[in-house]
Amino acid sequence: DGGITQSPKYLFRKEGQNVTLSCEQNLNHDAMYWYRQDPGQGLRLIYYSQIVNDFQKGDIAEGYSVSREKKESFPLTVTSAQKNPTAFYLCASRTGVKLFFGSGTQLSVL
Amino acid sequence: SQQGEEDPQALSIQEGENATMNCSYKTSINNLQWYRQNSGRGLVHLILIRSNEREKHSGRLRVTLDTSKKSSSLLITASRAADTASYFCATGSSNDYKLSFGAGTTVTVRA
Repeated sequence: DGGITQSPKYLFRKEGQNVTLSCEQNLNHDAMYWYRQDPGQGLRLIYYSQIVNDFQKGDIAEGYSVSREKKESFPLTVTSAQKNPTAFYLCASRTGVKLFFGSGTQLSVL
Repeated sequence: SQQGEEDPQALSIQEGENATMNCSYKTSINNLQWYRQNSGRGLVHLILIRSNEREKHSGRLRVTLDTSKKSSSLLITASRAADTASYFCATGSSNDYKLSFGAGTTVTVRA
């Protein structure tokens, strides 16, 4: 998956719990993205960051938070405010107009 | 926001046959890209076509773009079992760096 590492591959969340999904890249890309994928739907943008210490909300940011303290890392926290968090989460980085994706994290609710 | 919509939603073909899928979008674009996703994995970039191009080839892939109809097609020739995957179109505009993805076409290639 081209230098983007997502972990863990599977994650379970208890009600009321915050969980953090890790995304690391060694491609030296400035821009990074988080997408959510539900069965039968396309990818929906949660947050994106075009440079270190800066990030913007995407189309479905409510209930999620991010940080971008290092160029290589863009972790996503799914907060207890996200009432329907079960989905496949994809992290990506960009060079030019092309995106490079990690292998995803499947988040489920216990 | 999702702009691209792929058609059909699912496609089943015999190995060796061609697979064609279409993508329609709503607003003007700067470029259109196609990505492949194997089950439970991330997306992989296949091919990009810019708004001033009409056709592009890459190996067994052929992409066309008709900006007057706001549509694109992806043709996979001489399909193989390894082509079994979901295929997504993604559109980008010149004003931002966010790609909008459709819901995808699931292609099954039968041996």
